[in-house]
Amino acid sequence: GDSVTQMEGPVTLSEEAFLTINCTYTATGYPSLFWYVQYPGEGLQLLLKATKADDKGSNKGFEATYRKETTSFHLEKGSVQVSDSAVYFCALSEVFGSGTKLNVKP
Amino acid sequence: EAGVAQSPRYKIIEKRQSVAFWCNPISGHATLYWYQQILGQGPKLLIQFQNNGVVDDSQLPKDRFSAERLKGVDSTLKIQPAKLEDSAVYLCASSFSRDRGYEQYFGPGTRLTVT
Repeated sequence: GDSVTQMEGPVTLSEEAFLTINCTYTATGYPSLFWYVQYPGEGLQLLLKATKADDKGSNKGFEATYRKETTSFHLEKGSVQVSDSAVYFCALSEVFGSGTKLNVKP
Repeated sequence: EAGVAQSPRYKIIEKRQSVAFWCNPISGHATLYWYQQILGQGPKLLIQFQNNGVVDDSQLPKDRFSAERLKGVDSTLKIQPAKLEDSAVYLCASSFSRDRGYEQYFGPGTRLTVT
């Protein structure tokens, strides 16, 4: 069946550092890929998505490119802020990764 | 636009008791999902509805869990009898369509503690 594997956390970075959270998937067909974020005390919300190979999703300075050849959808941000501290989930429609907690220190 | 509503927000019960959760999706969203999220893990799909029909309940422990979506709008998830390992956050989500390109909108969740 479909599955998602994402890097374990927590990830701790200083403000303005570069962020990468790795995500790889196993799926049949041509799935859509999503990153959801859960800020402290809040519910899950969509961060970005890509619906076909080579698509790049972007939002709030975050980007992820749907790579079919490597079955990956890594999340990147060039300069993180303290307000980006949250748990990030990679998802393949209804199948979610285990989440990666990001802590950004001032 | 109102978001996905869930109640109650918190529930504490003893093992072998029963509990029910309620969800009201975003208006016009045909697809409704129930997830179980254990602390430190990602959400795990329990059941997916398309209007008032079940699309996927392959991971629902049917000996103790049940769910319904009457009239294709609100939904309830019930656990009877509860076990200690059912302690988790139960998330409801909805989407416009079950086509894979549509994102899900999540409610705040119900945190269940079974003692």
